[in-house]
Amino acid sequence: AQSVTQLDSQVPVFEEAPVELRCNYSSSVSVYLFWYVQYPNQGLQLLLKYLSGSTLVKGINGFEAEFNKSQTSFHLRKPSVHISDTAEYFCAVRLDTGRRALTFGSGTRLQVQP
Amino acid sequence: KAGVTQTPRYLIKTRGQQVTLSCSPISGHRSVSWYQQTPGQGLQFLFEYFSETQRNKGNFPGRFSGRQFSNSRSEMNVSTLELGDSALYLCASSLLLNNEQFFGPGTRLTVL
Repeated sequence: AQSVTQLDSQVPVFEEAPVELRCNYSSSVSVYLFWYVQYPNQGLQLLLKYLSGSTLVKGINGFEAEFNKSQTSFHLRKPSVHISDTAEYFCAVRLDTGRRALTFGSGTRLQVQP
Repeated sequence: KAGVTQTPRYLIKTRGQQVTLSCSPISGHRSVSWYQQTPGQGLQFLFEYFSETQRNKGNFPGRFSGRQFSNSRSEMNVSTLELGDSALYLCASSLLLNNEQFFGPGTRLTVL
Protein backbone atom coordinates (compact mmCIF):
# COMPACT_ATOMS: atom_id res chain seq x y z
CA ALA A 1 0.00 0.00 0.00
CA GLN A 2 1.12 3.53 -0.63
CA SER A 3 1.73 6.13 2.07
CA VAL A 4 2.63 9.80 2.28
CA THR A 5 4.71 11.52 4.95
CA GLN A 6 4.75 15.25 5.43
CA LEU A 7 7.68 15.82 7.69
CA ASP A 8 6.62 19.15 9.17
CA SER A 9 3.26 19.70 10.81
CA GLN A 10 3.83 23.45 11.03
CA VAL A 11 6.14 25.80 9.16
CA PRO A 12 6.36 29.42 10.36
CA VAL A 13 7.97 31.82 7.92
CA PHE A 14 8.22 35.56 7.47
CA GLU A 15 6.56 37.31 4.56
CA GLU A 16 8.69 37.47 1.39
CA ALA A 17 10.94 34.65 2.63
CA PRO A 18 11.31 31.40 0.67
CA VAL A 19 9.64 28.24 1.90
CA GLU A 20 9.87 24.50 1.30
CA LEU A 21 7.24 22.04 2.46
CA ARG A 22 8.53 18.49 2.47
CA CYS A 23 6.73 15.40 1.24
CA ASN A 24 7.98 11.83 0.97
CA TYR A 25 5.98 8.90 -0.31
CA SER A 26 6.18 5.15 -0.31
CA SER A 27 4.78 2.92 -3.03
CA SER A 28 5.70 -0.31 -4.76
CA VAL A 29 4.26 0.89 -8.06
CA SER A 30 4.32 4.11 -10.01
CA VAL A 31 2.30 6.98 -8.62
CA TYR A 32 0.99 10.35 -9.56
CA LEU A 33 1.72 13.15 -7.10
CA PHE A 34 -0.30 16.18 -6.06
CA TRP A 35 -0.20 19.17 -3.76
CA TYR A 36 -3.44 20.66 -2.49
CA VAL A 37 -4.08 23.77 -0.39
CA GLN A 38 -6.91 24.20 2.08
CA TYR A 39 -7.91 27.62 3.39
CA PRO A 40 -10.01 27.85 6.58
CA ASN A 41 -13.55 26.56 6.16
CA GLN A 42 -12.96 25.63 2.56
CA GLY A 43 -12.37 22.52 0.50
CA LEU A 44 -9.14 21.53 -1.20
CA GLN A 45 -7.70 23.37 -4.16
CA LEU A 46 -5.17 21.74 -6.46
CA LEU A 47 -1.86 23.62 -6.51
CA LEU A 48 0.04 21.35 -8.89
CA LYS A 49 0.44 17.78 -10.03
CA TYR A 50 3.09 15.46 -11.42
CA LEU A 51 1.87 12.83 -13.84
CA SER A 52 4.91 12.31 -16.06
CA GLY A 53 7.56 14.23 -17.97
CA SER A 54 9.59 17.05 -16.47
CA THR A 55 10.32 16.50 -12.82
CA LEU A 56 9.97 20.22 -12.06
CA VAL A 57 6.32 21.12 -11.94
CA LYS A 58 4.99 24.65 -11.76
CA GLY A 59 1.62 25.35 -10.22
CA ILE A 60 -0.65 28.20 -9.30
CA ASN A 61 0.17 31.11 -7.01
CA GLY A 62 3.91 30.87 -7.73
CA PHE A 63 4.39 27.41 -6.23
CA GLU A 64 6.53 24.70 -7.77
CA ALA A 65 7.54 21.18 -6.81
CA GLU A 66 10.22 18.75 -7.85
CA PHE A 67 9.69 15.03 -8.20
CA ASN A 68 12.70 13.03 -7.08
CA LYS A 69 12.18 9.35 -7.80
CA SER A 70 15.37 8.14 -6.15
CA GLN A 71 14.51 9.92 -2.91
CA THR A 72 10.77 9.33 -3.31
CA SER A 73 10.14 12.96 -2.56
CA PHE A 74 7.92 15.71 -3.93
CA HIS A 75 8.80 18.88 -2.03
CA LEU A 76 6.81 22.06 -2.55
CA ARG A 77 8.62 25.40 -2.84
CA LYS A 78 7.86 29.07 -3.20
CA PRO A 79 10.60 31.69 -3.52
CA SER A 80 8.70 34.45 -1.74
CA VAL A 81 5.59 33.88 0.37
CA HIS A 82 2.74 36.25 1.10
CA ILE A 83 0.44 36.55 4.08
CA SER A 84 -2.32 35.13 1.88
CA ASP A 85 -0.39 31.84 1.54
CA THR A 86 -1.22 31.03 5.16
CA ALA A 87 -3.13 27.76 4.89
CA GLU A 88 -2.89 23.98 5.27
CA TYR A 89 -1.03 22.16 2.52
CA PHE A 90 -1.55 18.51 1.68
CA CYS A 91 0.61 16.22 -0.38
CA ALA A 92 -1.21 13.31 -2.02
CA VAL A 93 -0.43 10.31 -4.19
CA ARG A 94 -2.51 8.18 -6.47
CA LEU A 95 -1.54 4.90 -8.05
CA ASP A 96 -1.35 4.87 -11.83
CA THR A 97 -3.00 1.44 -11.93
CA GLY A 98 -5.55 -0.43 -9.90
CA ARG A 99 -6.96 1.39 -6.90
CA ARG A 100 -6.81 5.07 -7.77
CA ALA A 101 -8.12 6.91 -4.72
CA LEU A 102 -6.00 9.74 -3.38
CA THR A 103 -3.87 8.99 -0.32
CA PHE A 104 -3.09 12.15 1.60
CA GLY A 105 -0.34 13.16 3.96
CA SER A 106 -1.18 14.59 7.37
CA GLY A 107 -0.80 18.17 6.19
CA THR A 108 1.55 21.07 6.87
CA ARG A 109 0.26 24.31 8.27
CA LEU A 110 2.11 27.21 6.68
CA GLN A 111 2.01 30.31 8.89
CA VAL A 112 3.26 33.44 7.17
CA GLN A 113 4.12 36.22 9.57
CA PRO A 114 4.49 39.91 8.70
CA LYS B 1 -19.00 26.95 -14.62
CA ALA B 2 -20.23 26.35 -11.08
CA GLY B 3 -18.01 24.34 -8.80
CA VAL B 4 -18.82 21.33 -6.68
CA THR B 5 -21.61 22.10 -4.25
CA GLN B 6 -22.31 20.29 -1.03
CA THR B 7 -25.38 20.55 1.16
CA PRO B 8 -25.83 21.19 3.94
CA ARG B 9 -22.64 23.00 4.90
CA TYR B 10 -23.12 22.37 8.60
CA LEU B 11 -25.03 19.68 10.43
CA ILE B 12 -25.49 18.76 14.07
CA LYS B 13 -26.79 15.33 14.99
CA THR B 14 -26.90 13.16 18.09
CA ARG B 15 -25.49 9.69 18.58
CA GLY B 16 -27.58 6.94 17.06
CA GLN B 17 -29.19 9.13 14.42
CA GLN B 18 -28.53 8.85 10.73
CA VAL B 19 -27.53 11.56 8.28
CA THR B 20 -27.55 12.09 4.53
CA LEU B 21 -25.12 14.44 2.81
CA SER B 22 -25.50 15.63 -0.75
CA CYS B 23 -23.00 16.49 -3.44
CA SER B 24 -23.61 18.05 -6.85
CA PRO B 25 -20.60 17.68 -9.15
CA ILE B 26 -19.39 20.16 -11.71
CA SER B 27 -21.63 20.04 -14.76
CA GLY B 28 -20.46 17.28 -17.08
CA HIS B 29 -18.43 15.47 -14.45
CA ARG B 30 -19.38 11.86 -14.05
CA SER B 31 -17.20 10.69 -11.20
CA VAL B 32 -17.74 11.60 -7.54
CA SER B 33 -15.51 10.69 -4.62
CA TRP B 34 -16.05 11.22 -0.91
CA TYR B 35 -13.42 11.83 1.76
CA GLN B 36 -13.58 12.23 5.52
CA GLN B 37 -11.32 14.76 7.22
CA THR B 38 -10.69 14.63 10.97
CA PRO B 39 -7.92 16.14 13.12
CA GLY B 40 -6.84 12.70 14.26
CA GLN B 41 -7.01 10.63 11.08
CA GLY B 42 -6.55 13.33 8.48
CA LEU B 43 -8.05 12.91 5.03
CA GLN B 44 -9.34 9.43 4.31
CA PHE B 45 -11.01 8.06 1.21
CA LEU B 46 -14.57 6.81 1.64
CA PHE B 47 -15.81 5.78 -1.80
CA GLU B 48 -15.91 6.65 -5.45
CA TYR B 49 -18.83 6.50 -7.88
CA PHE B 50 -18.94 6.57 -11.64
CA SER B 51 -22.00 6.08 -13.80
CA GLU B 52 -24.12 5.25 -10.76
CA THR B 53 -21.79 2.42 -9.72
CA GLN B 54 -19.46 2.29 -6.76
CA ARG B 55 -16.01 1.75 -8.26
CA ASN B 56 -13.83 1.97 -5.20
CA LYS B 57 -14.32 1.83 -1.45
CA GLY B 58 -12.16 2.85 1.47
CA ASN B 59 -11.74 1.12 4.80
CA PHE B 60 -14.86 2.32 6.59
CA PRO B 61 -17.60 0.31 8.34
CA GLY B 62 -20.83 -0.58 6.60
CA ARG B 63 -22.59 2.28 8.42
CA PHE B 64 -21.14 4.49 5.70
CA SER B 65 -22.86 4.12 2.37
CA GLY B 66 -23.42 6.14 -0.73
CA ARG B 67 -25.07 6.26 -4.10
CA GLN B 68 -24.97 8.18 -7.31
CA PHE B 69 -27.91 9.22 -9.40
CA SER B 70 -28.29 9.34 -13.18
CA ASN B 71 -27.53 13.08 -13.16
CA SER B 72 -24.21 12.29 -11.38
CA ARG B 73 -25.33 13.86 -8.11
CA SER B 74 -24.27 11.79 -5.15
CA GLU B 75 -25.38 11.24 -1.60
CA MET B 76 -23.65 9.60 1.28
CA ASN B 77 -25.40 8.21 4.32
CA VAL B 78 -24.09 7.47 7.76
CA SER B 79 -26.31 5.40 10.01
CA THR B 80 -26.15 4.94 13.78
CA LEU B 81 -23.92 7.96 14.23
CA GLU B 82 -21.03 7.81 16.66
CA LEU B 83 -19.10 10.68 18.24
CA GLY B 84 -16.11 9.73 16.12
CA ASP B 85 -18.06 10.43 12.94
CA SER B 86 -17.74 14.15 13.63
CA ALA B 87 -15.73 15.39 10.68
CA LEU B 88 -15.58 17.48 7.56
CA TYR B 89 -16.93 15.39 4.68
CA LEU B 90 -15.51 16.42 1.34
CA CYS B 91 -16.86 15.55 -2.05
CA ALA B 92 -14.75 15.72 -5.18
CA SER B 93 -15.82 15.40 -8.78
CA SER B 94 -13.88 14.58 -11.91
CA LEU B 95 -14.76 14.37 -15.57
CA LEU B 96 -14.03 10.66 -15.70
CA LEU B 97 -12.34 8.16 -13.44
CA ASN B 98 -8.66 8.98 -12.88
CA ASN B 99 -8.96 12.61 -13.94
CA GLU B 100 -8.13 15.61 -11.77
CA GLN B 101 -10.48 15.89 -8.80
CA PHE B 102 -12.17 19.17 -7.90
CA PHE B 103 -13.26 19.48 -4.30
CA GLY B 104 -16.35 21.04 -2.80
CA PRO B 105 -16.33 23.14 0.39
CA GLY B 106 -17.40 20.20 2.52
CA THR B 107 -20.12 19.44 5.03
CA ARG B 108 -19.09 19.79 8.65
CA LEU B 109 -20.89 17.15 10.70
CA THR B 110 -20.93 17.40 14.47
CA VAL B 111 -22.23 14.43 16.45
CA LEU B 112 -23.24 15.17 20.05
